[in-house]
Amino acid sequence: KQEVTQIPAALSVPEGENLVLNCSFTDSAIYNLQWFRQDPGKGLTSLLLIQSSQREQTSGRLNASLDKSSGRSTLYIAASQPGDSATYLCAVKVRENTGFQKLVFGTGTRLLVSP
Amino acid sequence: KAGVTQTPRYLIKTRGQQVTLSCSPISGHRSVSWYQQTPGQGLQFLFEYFSETQRNKGNFPGRFSGRQFSNSRSEMNVSTLELGDSALYLCASSLAQGSSYNEQFFGPGTRLTVL
Repeated sequence: KQEVTQIPAALSVPEGENLVLNCSFTDSAIYNLQWFRQDPGKGLTSLLLIQSSQREQTSGRLNASLDKSSGRSTLYIAASQPGDSATYLCAVKVRENTGFQKLVFGTGTRLLVSP
Repeated sequence: KAGVTQTPRYLIKTRGQQVTLSCSPISGHRSVSWYQQTPGQGLQFLFEYFSETQRNKGNFPGRFSGRQFSNSRSEMNVSTLELGDSALYLCASSLAQGSSYNEQFFGPGTRLTVL
């Protein structure tokens, strides 16, 4: 059974710092990995999608890497801003015994960026 | 292009009642997935619908059911509500079912409180 873990559970940094969020998964048989952002009480906003054949994806100040063999992904946020404060979730797409696919989510990292 | 919409945004029910939640996917998206998010269990997969057929189902009791209409809109129903059903219910849509390239886009969620 696929399990996804995110470390740290919470992170507090001053504005302007570069930071790294970690995501680990136990089964390397994934189709892709997606990073999401969730503001309190809101839905999920997709940030980056990395296919299993890719090593990294970039969007603005965000860079996500994927090392499928070691079961790890990192989300790098450059020059953090207070508006980056949110919970960040990673999710892996897996294939079940039924043949159908689903997303398995990590536990999330709650980020607070102070002005 | 409008995003995923969910109605209602908030619901308060009492134990034993039933509830129906609605989700309208992004135009052109044919796959709709439902997730339950609670502080204790995180985000858990409920089920996925594609072309009006349930394609995958998570580990939830039969009180949780859903359906999809010909216009891809989806509803989920929870019968005989329990206190533990209090959660944020999220709907996600994607272009098609079964492709590893599909990115999932989430709605704002419905906050269900069971008293």
